[in-house]
Amino acid sequence: NAGVTQTPKFQVLKTGQSMTLQCAQDMNHEYMSWYRQDPGMGLRLIHYSVGAGITDQGEVPNGYNVSRSTTEDFPLRLLSAAPSQTSVYFCASSYSNQNEQFFGPGTRLTVL
Amino acid sequence: KNEVEQSPQNLTAQEGEFITINCSYSVGISALHWLQQHPGGGIVSLFMLSSGKKKHGRLIATINIQEKHSSLHITASHPRDSAVYICAVVQGNLIFGKGTKLSVKP
Repeated sequence: NAGVTQTPKFQVLKTGQSMTLQCAQDMNHEYMSWYRQDPGMGLRLIHYSVGAGITDQGEVPNGYNVSRSTTEDFPLRLLSAAPSQTSVYFCASSYSNQNEQFFGPGTRLTVL
Repeated sequence: KNEVEQSPQNLTAQEGEFITINCSYSVGISALHWLQQHPGGGIVSLFMLSSGKKKHGRLIATINIQEKHSSLHITASHPRDSAVYICAVVQGNLIFGKGTKLSVKP
């Protein structure tokens, strides 16, 4: 099993550009989530999904969109990148929040 | 206001020492996770607790629901234990602490 995969590992964008961070898991997990990690702060939830076709906002959703058309994939879209979105992004999956969490390797995004 | 507080923020230990990292929270929770973030950035799950105590190798995690407190203990610490240890509570979604950076010197 590959576990949770994320692409790309690194990305540099200019302000105003859009892009999609990819996340995929092969463990048949229903619950998937996107977090951002900033220096001096804990991981913060951006968006999450409890199954295909179901998504919801987390703590910091502004500027991001998600969709969940399959159980395996949960892409995160930055609509118009801003320097405040410079961060490390982690995707995670699990059977539920009360089960073991599996994290992807992270994407380091810089917005100039 | 931080709903999940970890202490200490930074911890330096000598190899072989017994280490304790604390997590206090202010909200009602259904479970608590301890995670480890390696120096390279990867995050792995260590424990999920809803009551009592769990042990895995040299790691022990305890939780006291009434006191809203959990501890992560590392016995016979080793330089390879150097990492950031993160506490996360489950209140619907996960709410994360800021982490405790542990450095174990040989």
